[in-house]
Amino acid sequence: DADVTQTPRNRITKTGKRIMLECSQTKGHDRMYWYRQDPGLGLRLIYYSFDVKDINKGEISDGYSVSRQAQAKFSLSLESAIPNQTALYFCATSEPLATSYNEQFFGPGTRLTVL
Amino acid sequence: AQSVTQLDSQVPVFEEAPVELRCNYSSSVSVYLFWYVQYPNQGLQLLLKYLSGSTLVKGINGFEAEFNKSQTSFHLRKPSVHISDTAEYFCAVFSGSARQLTFGSGTQLTVLP
Repeated sequence: DADVTQTPRNRITKTGKRIMLECSQTKGHDRMYWYRQDPGLGLRLIYYSFDVKDINKGEISDGYSVSRQAQAKFSLSLESAIPNQTALYFCATSEPLATSYNEQFFGPGTRLTVL
Repeated sequence: AQSVTQLDSQVPVFEEAPVELRCNYSSSVSVYLFWYVQYPNQGLQLLLKYLSGSTLVKGINGFEAEFNKSQTSFHLRKPSVHISDTAEYFCAVFSGSARQLTFGSGTQLTVLP
């Protein structure tokens, strides 16, 4: 079984709709991240969480919100989707920095298309 | 602030030829460097990492990278590529002053028969 899972894997939606992307992990890591990938831009950090009560904005948080329901679950929401949020979204996890130097483990991704 | 530059967005190479994917970083403090690989329709997988010690780092699938502090580079190399190495490769940097990993824009390696 995969250590980091994302649901759904693919989603097509319309402008203005609310969308939630979910991430679950069985690695026991405290730290979780949401990235979006766009061609030619690499991965950009949207939000990250160091534990259930520690949530931080990343480089491109506008238009997104997150919820850390438990150590193992981290959800990303688009309150009102717009076409330029069409992208591949990745969830990742890591151990504390002192032991991992931020080596991250990625889920398989969610391809989101906003029409 | 830290940043990563991958100088080549696309690298085509014939099977069994050597390849080098270039990565340069900027950071004012000590860094930790990573190469990730993304096969088609998959997530990112760690290829290798430099944390400290020997500047030549060996990873999975025959890849290696050399950390060059004076040139602020961490180029990825493989002496003989296979069709199965076709993928996108991302360089990433983490420094002690930052709380996050910074990724380069990626290099698409295409191995031709």
